[in-house]
Amino acid sequence: EPEVTQTPSHQVTQMGQEVILRCVPISNHLYFYWYRQILGQKVEFLVSFYNNEISEKSEIFDDQFSVERPDGSNFTLKIRSTKLEDSAMYFCASSEALLAGILQPQHFGDGTRLSIL
Amino acid sequence: QKEVEQNSGPLSVPEGAIASLNCTYSDRGSQSFFWYRQYSGKSPELIMFIYSNGDKEDGRFTAQLNKASQYVSLLIRDSQPSDSATYLCAVTLGGSNYKLTFGKGTLLTVNP
Repeated sequence: EPEVTQTPSHQVTQMGQEVILRCVPISNHLYFYWYRQILGQKVEFLVSFYNNEISEKSEIFDDQFSVERPDGSNFTLKIRSTKLEDSAMYFCASSEALLAGILQPQHFGDGTRLSIL
Repeated sequence: QKEVEQNSGPLSVPEGAIASLNCTYSDRGSQSFFWYRQYSGKSPELIMFIYSNGDKEDGRFTAQLNKASQYVSLLIRDSQPSDSATYLCAVTLGGSNYKLTFGKGTLLTVNP
């Protein structure tokens, strides 16, 4: 069964450094997402991406964050000047095109655990 | 504030019993409803999705949606110890077609 793949599985970074989290969505999916989950808390939406542009973003997704689809398969989340509170599990997800305007199921990757020291 | 609410549990059921998990949401205009299972330290895994009022069955799982009362539930029949996990309800709120808003999840424990 096709799956979303994420690399690395664990990233340890010094505060203030930049990190890039990578994702390969399911190949026929058109919508891509990033979510995060701080330990013990709920899954939170960061951003959705369609047709090479951001379609929606949350208040968490400020100027520190950016997303890019650098080629036909990868989807990346960049966090500039990381802070301690950025420590979390980051999940990439993808879904097929909207059907009659209805969101199709989002399939999640295994996640990247980001630890900021 | 648009919200998705779940009883955090833990919900404990014996093996073979029916587990019933509930979720309420604040936006009457919500259109898409999903149940995910999350094992500790793992990613959310899609279990069920439902768009219309009524029941939807898939194997041992049944999702029930009542838009008038703004709740969605998940029934797990013949519960197995391997079903022990946190079950996350996720809903599109606020007219968004892209963003899933998750509840905090209900921890289910199935006792052998």
